[in-house]
Amino acid sequence: DIQLTQSPSSLSASVGDRVTVSCQASQDIGGKLNWYQQKPGKAPRLLIYDAANLQAGVPSRFSGSGSGTSYVLSISSLQPEDIATYYCQQCDDFPYTFGQGTKLEI
Amino acid sequence: QVQLLQSGPTVKRPGASVKISCETSGYSFSNHFIQWVRQAPGQGLEWMGLINPTGAGTAYDSTIYAHKFKGRISMTRDMSRNTVYMELSSLRSDDTAVYFCARGEVRFDPWGQGTMVTVSS
Repeated sequence: DIQLTQSPSSLSASVGDRVTVSCQASQDIGGKLNWYQQKPGKAPRLLIYDAANLQAGVPSRFSGSGSGTSYVLSISSLQPEDIATYYCQQCDDFPYTFGQGTKLEI
Repeated sequence: QVQLLQSGPTVKRPGASVKISCETSGYSFSNHFIQWVRQAPGQGLEWMGLINPTGAGTAYDSTIYAHKFKGRISMTRDMSRNTVYMELSSLRSDDTAVYFCARGEVRFDPWGQGTMVTVSS
């Protein structure tokens, strides 16, 4: 199975900060990497697909980059409503797997 | 708009089975895969498997399950109701979790609201 390792596991930042979350895959996943945001008690929400494509309706302060085994989610200017846990997910091979999550706090 | 509506919370005894429904609306049911993901209390997301509502024109079978659940998981669909079902048998306490369905083959959007399954004696 492909392992995804996110770093950091938790992150404290201030409103307006630029924030980055990393996701490292145990093998090349060819850019087939998605990012989700999950707020407490809610279902996850797709933010970024195929490593760098912004899902419709997602604010442009969110962006994704990366290739091969290394990927990054960036938030250009942190807003209070961005408080959530963020997960990466690979869809290159079965079983699809998720990273362990990064909890973002202000 | 596209919606996935799941059945309500349930409590089961160890060893029992649970069947969760995911009723879809707002799109062509046959054109999109449905995935199932679960989340134990305070834990991360765990992929369980997928179902292709038609099973046609794909490179693989109509269902694919994570190895961890093989032998005790089943995903089915009722095309007349635009609904997908996920049944998990031989429940254990560590199956206590919120179970989500989500639309999509390789990117999951949108998601159902989640169904809390509690396994307790």
